[in-house]
Amino acid sequence: EAGVAQSPRYKIIEKRQSVAFWCNPISGHATLYWYQQILGQGPKLLIQFQNNGVVDDSQLPKDRFSAERLKGVDSTLKIQPAKLEDSAVYLCASSWVGGDGYTFGSGTRLTVV
Amino acid sequence: QKEVEQNSGPLSVPEGAIASLNCTYSDRGSQSFFWYRQYSGKSPELIMSIYSNGDKEDGRFTAQLNKASQYVSLLIRDSQPSDSATYLCAATMNTGFQKLVFGTGTRLLVSP
Repeated sequence: EAGVAQSPRYKIIEKRQSVAFWCNPISGHATLYWYQQILGQGPKLLIQFQNNGVVDDSQLPKDRFSAERLKGVDSTLKIQPAKLEDSAVYLCASSWVGGDGYTFGSGTRLTVV
Repeated sequence: QKEVEQNSGPLSVPEGAIASLNCTYSDRGSQSFFWYRQYSGKSPELIMSIYSNGDKEDGRFTAQLNKASQYVSLLIRDSQPSDSATYLCAATMNTGFQKLVFGTGTRLLVSP
């Protein structure tokens, strides 16, 4: 089966600019996650979707981050405006409902300068 | 208190030795536990899952779970230089939805 697809792989932007990341989960996976991984740290959950509904966004900085999942398939994560501390790898993962052990995409490495 | 705690390392072992990686978690309601391997610059890759107390073996890897002590470990037998990576421990939180919380990871270095 095809894996979780993410784009772009790398992005460099200036602070206060906006950026968007895209994720296409494994076919049939109803649950989709966005994680932020800062260098030297473990992944931190930003938002979790089940189908096209949000089930957990408690750690999403909602003043600057937003995410949507259209038709319960693809998802986009947006940052506007970006700050230096947003420099990280943004990982998308998906799983079956109630499934264990996510499959991660290759991630998007964001550098804010 | 962090939800999932790991020693950041690095843990250095010689080739052929047993590497022992440890993790503790705070939520007594956690039911599922995972070990992910992450090579530098790559995304995490699931290598082991464990759900009940005791040991689970898969090739050179053995996961151990002790729910009473809220402790999970990963043993890697016959360690190889290719095992050098960061190992992330993760646990599901008892939130009603599948929410996986990760530790900060332990860096393992296997020297030839």
